[in-house]
Amino acid sequence: NAGVTQTPKFRVLKTGQSMTLLCAQDMNHEYMYWYRQDPGMGLRLIHYSVGEGTTAKGEVPDGYNVSRLKKQNFLLGLESAAPSQTSVYFCASSPGLGIGETQYFGPGTRLLVL
Amino acid sequence: AQSVTQLGSHVSVSEGALVLLRCNYSSSVPPYLFWYVQYPNQGLQLLLKYTSAATLVKGINDFEAEFKKSETSFHLTKPSAHMSDAAEYFCAVSGASGGSYIPTFGRGTSLIVHP
Repeated sequence: NAGVTQTPKFRVLKTGQSMTLLCAQDMNHEYMYWYRQDPGMGLRLIHYSVGEGTTAKGEVPDGYNVSRLKKQNFLLGLESAAPSQTSVYFCASSPGLGIGETQYFGPGTRLLVL
Repeated sequence: AQSVTQLGSHVSVSEGALVLLRCNYSSSVPPYLFWYVQYPNQGLQLLLKYTSAATLVKGINDFEAEFKKSETSFHLTKPSAHMSDAAEYFCAVSGASGGSYIPTFGRGTSLIVHP
């Protein structure tokens, strides 16, 4: 049982390049989330999904797109990377049973945009 | 609307000393409250959570937190700090706002433990 995994672990992009971050979970969770973590800002929600085929915007969605074609996978895309998107990105999942449930986090992807 | 304020971006203690990390919340509905810990270069993991049962919640590694509705607080404590407790700690609040249970995280408190 791997839990939540993220690919890649680290990536360097040039401004304007595109990339996709992959999140996979093997716990059959309904909900999945993408966060970014910046110094002094805590975790900010980018997008989330409450089930296969659904996505919704979080607090800071601009410049990102997501897709949840399969229940176990949640993809985060950057169409045209900007230096402001330099951050550590965390994926999380939760069962989707209701309020108060625990989120399970991946190890993170460090992205540097030059 | 819901929000969390963590007082102090950094807290420094000596090994063996009491650890106190402060968290105050704002929620228009009865809240569910969480403490997560992030060790260096790792993802977050749940330390403990309050889900409207006992107000004193015990978590892993001897951490505990007390829900005080009158003070809108959920401070995290540990009687005796270990070097291995050095990490980033996040408080989060979740409430049934608009049908969504998505938690809101605080900005985090970095715990530094001196030998």
